[in-house]
Amino acid sequence: DTEVTQTPKHLVMGMTNKKSLKCEQHMGHRAMYWYKQKAKKPPELMFVYSYEKLSINESVPSRFSPECPNSSLLNLHLHALQPEDSALYLCASSQGDSGLAYEQYFGPGTRLTVT
Amino acid sequence: GEDVEQSLFLSVREGDSSVINCTYTDSSSTYLYWYKQEPGAGLQLLTYIFSNMDMKQDQRLTVLLNKKDKHLSLRIADTQTGDSAIYFCAESMEYNTDKLIFGTGTRLQVFP
Repeated sequence: DTEVTQTPKHLVMGMTNKKSLKCEQHMGHRAMYWYKQKAKKPPELMFVYSYEKLSINESVPSRFSPECPNSSLLNLHLHALQPEDSALYLCASSQGDSGLAYEQYFGPGTRLTVT
Repeated sequence: GEDVEQSLFLSVREGDSSVINCTYTDSSSTYLYWYKQEPGAGLQLLTYIFSNMDMKQDQRLTVLLNKKDKHLSLRIADTQTGDSAIYFCAESMEYNTDKLIFGTGTRLQVFP
């Protein structure tokens, strides 16, 4: 099973709303990732959690707040977003450890529209 | 620096072979990957190659790596209409294996 699930599939929110994106994997992977992808562009890394600890934050604005409640779950809390934050938000996970390939498995994404 | 380039568009006839190219600049890459993305969907890992290999074959897919020229290619044999998608190459670095550097993406269109 190489499935990463994400909810919701689509989300429309106003600039004053607070919402959360959710991601789940049951592959026993130790690392989980959030990416942002604008149309016709490659994914851009936002955050990496490794063993439930934040290991990479790519200078993401504080209106995006990640959370890793346990090794299978990853959330992205959204607050006071701007219209330019509208994008496809992708979650990924990888087993990657010393000596192993670091291939990342992606979820289907959440299409976010900020109005 | 980290810079991964791909040609924007490739059009092939069904049944022909497709070759998607990727060039990168950082020689400290450890693994190189090919991902496929269909419209409105996430990324699907197709295959990957370790940086000390020259070639990897997996069914219809053949990956070639020229480390001297920092050139990676993906050949799809007997291309089908279901192969129409955007293809991203990506590399991970020896100094930070958690971070994937993605190429700009190549849109493959297969026509009958």
